[in-house]
Amino acid sequence: DTAVSQTPKYLVTQMGNDKSIKCEQNLGHDTMYWYKQDSKKFLKIMFSYNNKELIINETVPNRFSPKSPDKAHLNLHINSLELGDSAVYFCASSPSLVTNEKLFFGSGTQLSVL
Amino acid sequence: GESVGLHLPTLSVQEGDNSIINCAYSNSASDYFIWYKQESGKGPQFIIDIRSNMDKRQGQRVTVLLNKTVKHLSLQIAATQPGDSAVYFCAESGGTSYGKLTFGQGTILTVHP
Repeated sequence: DTAVSQTPKYLVTQMGNDKSIKCEQNLGHDTMYWYKQDSKKFLKIMFSYNNKELIINETVPNRFSPKSPDKAHLNLHINSLELGDSAVYFCASSPSLVTNEKLFFGSGTQLSVL
Repeated sequence: GESVGLHLPTLSVQEGDNSIINCAYSNSASDYFIWYKQESGKGPQFIIDIRSNMDKRQGQRVTVLLNKTVKHLSLQIAATQPGDSAVYFCAESGGTSYGKLTFGQGTILTVHP
């Protein structure tokens, strides 16, 4: 069973469209994250949620709206897609926020905005 | 290898050699450090971690060294294999950033048979 699964794997869309990426973890973790990896492979945190509550929002544009219906799911909705949004988006989870622990990553969603 | 311009640092080794990948960090308050391996088309995979109360930790074929004085972290891979070819990232957290990993630039390791 995949620990952190995200869909879709690939997403190709036109500028101005709205799209969503879904993420689910079956590890029983309290904390989930979205990271963005740019074309230079740089990984940067976008959001973190702890038990459905937003903890970190790293000055991400309002066009990005995460939603956590329960602690096992963290979806990412993007409005009015722009060329610069093209990247690989990774979902991740960790046991809790209380102590620093390793993150478990999904396999990524490659978003291409044309 | 050294980074030039905007390219990732690269390290090329022969199969069987030992590899050392280096990482510098800037946050003195960081107390947790971790190495990830990312293969093409996949997400980062955990390799090994270390907390600031240690300066060395060993795993299977891997060793992480932490020098807090100069804020330096290294990953040593013994008897490197072609399957070790990937991008390697160091990351840190701590201080006021619990739960948030800050990643380094990444190093491309290529292992030649």
